[in-house]
Amino acid sequence: GAVVSQHPSRVICKSGTSVKIECRSLDFQATTMFWYRQFPKQSLMLMATSNEGSKATYEQGVEKDKFLINHASLTLSTLTVTSAHPEDSSFYICSALGPSGNTIYFGEGSWLTVV
Amino acid sequence: GQQVMQIPQYQHVQEGEDFTTYCNSSTTLSNIQWYKQRPGGHPVFLIQLVKSGEVKKQKRLTFQFGEAKKNSSLHITATQTTDVGTYFCAGRRRQLTFGSGTQLTVLP
Repeated sequence: GAVVSQHPSRVICKSGTSVKIECRSLDFQATTMFWYRQFPKQSLMLMATSNEGSKATYEQGVEKDKFLINHASLTLSTLTVTSAHPEDSSFYICSALGPSGNTIYFGEGSWLTVV
Repeated sequence: GQQVMQIPQYQHVQEGEDFTTYCNSSTTLSNIQWYKQRPGGHPVFLIQLVKSGEVKKQKRLTFQFGEAKKNSSLHITATQTTDVGTYFCAGRRRQLTFGSGTQLTVLP
């Protein structure tokens, strides 16, 4: 089946720095990718929808200048958390819309800890 | 704002028993999605329902979308230990809002 890979799986960064998380579709082209945030034992929150070659669509309440999304190719989307603060610490997950357009495939997720 | 409420929060069943989780939206939805997340794992997309009154089946799983497109349910027949996990619904109107999830435990 379709595979989505996310990197890094865990990252620790200092307050004020920026950190980039990559999401790759390994065996298919993904024109649409999604970024989510999940706090421990809580539900998912969709942050934004990333479309290849165009600007991401952000969900209500998500700061686009804080969470920069780039979908420069059909197999790669990146999420950059800028000027990270401890409250940005969370589990970030990406997903990609599969070739059929009917199924969404998730990456393994990335644990971000801001110290 | 849009709210999606999901009940129950937790459900323990004996293997072989049925299980149902319910989702209710404060607003009419354009579609609803269901996901499963195993403990320590990432979410897995199960299905999307779009039409009013739609019913879809995946083996032992039955998904329903209400006539008013404001509620949905996931029913599992004869649960197995492999069904363990948290089941989330997510309703789309202007934005995609996830329910709080139902954590299913299946006792062997």
